[in-house]
Amino acid sequence: AQKVTQAQTEISVVEKEDVTLDCVYETRDTTYYLFWYKQPPSGELVFLIRRNSFDEQNEISGRYSWNFQKSTSSFNFTITASQVVDSAVYFCALMVDSNYQLIWGAGTKLIIKP
Amino acid sequence: SQTIHQWPATLVQPVGSPLSLECTVEGTSNPNLYWYRQAAGRGLQLLFYSVGIGQISSEVPQNLSASRPQDRQFILSSKKLLLSDSGFYLCAWSYHQGAEQFFGPGTRLTVL
Repeated sequence: AQKVTQAQTEISVVEKEDVTLDCVYETRDTTYYLFWYKQPPSGELVFLIRRNSFDEQNEISGRYSWNFQKSTSSFNFTITASQVVDSAVYFCALMVDSNYQLIWGAGTKLIIKP
Repeated sequence: SQTIHQWPATLVQPVGSPLSLECTVEGTSNPNLYWYRQAAGRGLQLLFYSVGIGQISSEVPQNLSASRPQDRQFILSSKKLLLSDSGFYLCAWSYHQGAEQFFGPGTRLTVL
């Protein structure tokens, strides 16, 4: 069975601090995809990144970076120099090639204080 | 560019009343379409998905149903709402299975 664990229920930091959101996944499939989504207070889910299981290269997009490590089954998300606008709930999700359903983590609520 | 619309944005309905939520996608053809529900403070639950017109797969047995009358239109319905149907309903689309899903603005449904 597949599972995604986001152990951090809520994180609160002061603006300009760096913050890392953890995501640990479980699957026996060899082909799978990992995702991160942002859900601001408005509610709409915003797609951030998709990674396939054969690409362990870390990704950087502006202040956002992702660290994919198959050895620890983790796909962590770091925001550098956080801003108030980064306040949101962030979801990590897993999709396996055998059924293409998104398995969602419980989400991490990130609060950035000015 | 592609856009996804959902309406209404909010809805308050009495128990036992019918429901119809609509989702349309613009700027792409033959998308995969999805309906999710999110209870307050919880994760997302996949309700239905569709890979083509008239093709609906149900993930959770319940009093909701979905239809896809046109390529880019996805409708979520109920004949009689229950209190437990309250939640935030999100429609999403993707180019194909395995691809990232793009979400609409959602509908907040309150059943009283």
